[in-house]
Amino acid sequence: NAGVTQTPKFQVLKTGQSMTLQCAQDMNHNSMYWYRQDPGMGLRLIYYSASEGTTDKGEVPNGYNVSRLNKREFSLRLESAAPSQTSVYFCASSDRGSLPQSYEQYFGPGTRLTVT
Amino acid sequence: KQEVTQIPAALSVPEGENLVLNCSFTDSAIYNLQWFRQDPGKGLTSLLLIQSSQREQTSGRLNASLDKSSGRSTLYIAASQPGDSATYLCAVYSGGGADGLTFGKGTHLIIQP
Repeated sequence: NAGVTQTPKFQVLKTGQSMTLQCAQDMNHNSMYWYRQDPGMGLRLIYYSASEGTTDKGEVPNGYNVSRLNKREFSLRLESAAPSQTSVYFCASSDRGSLPQSYEQYFGPGTRLTVT
Repeated sequence: KQEVTQIPAALSVPEGENLVLNCSFTDSAIYNLQWFRQDPGKGLTSLLLIQSSQREQTSGRLNASLDKSSGRSTLYIAASQPGDSATYLCAVYSGGGADGLTFGKGTHLIIQP
């Protein structure tokens, strides 16, 4: 099992450019998440998808859009990149069974994005 | 709004010492708490998950405790090794509207050989 995979690993964009970050999981999890990690801020939730066909905003959704393409894949799109979106982006997945106490999240290796 | 605090922010100890990392959270209405390890430039590796009804979980040299009512968790590392050097992150799952984890800022741990 590869677990959670993310592409690309690194990306440099100019202000105003667009790009899509890809995430896939092979654990048959129903929930997927996008977080960003900034120095001094910790990880913050951008968007999540509790199940296939649904997406919801997290703490910092402005400037992003997401697509839950199927159960395996969850993409994050930056339509017009800004320097404030320079960050490390992590995708995660979780198996939402009957008990929320057991929800454990598994993370991908991250995408390091720089916007100049 | 749930807030998670980790103390200390950084810690440097000689190899072989036992050590404790602290995590506190402001809202005790959580479903679970996860401890992660993050190596420089890498992703997060889940170490332990403690459910709200549990008091502690153990994995090898790691032991995590949870006192939900007081909003505290500790991660105990026994017989520390240089390979334990990393940033340790604490995160709580509270469910509700924004259905993700709320993270602390981490403890940067260095084990001196």
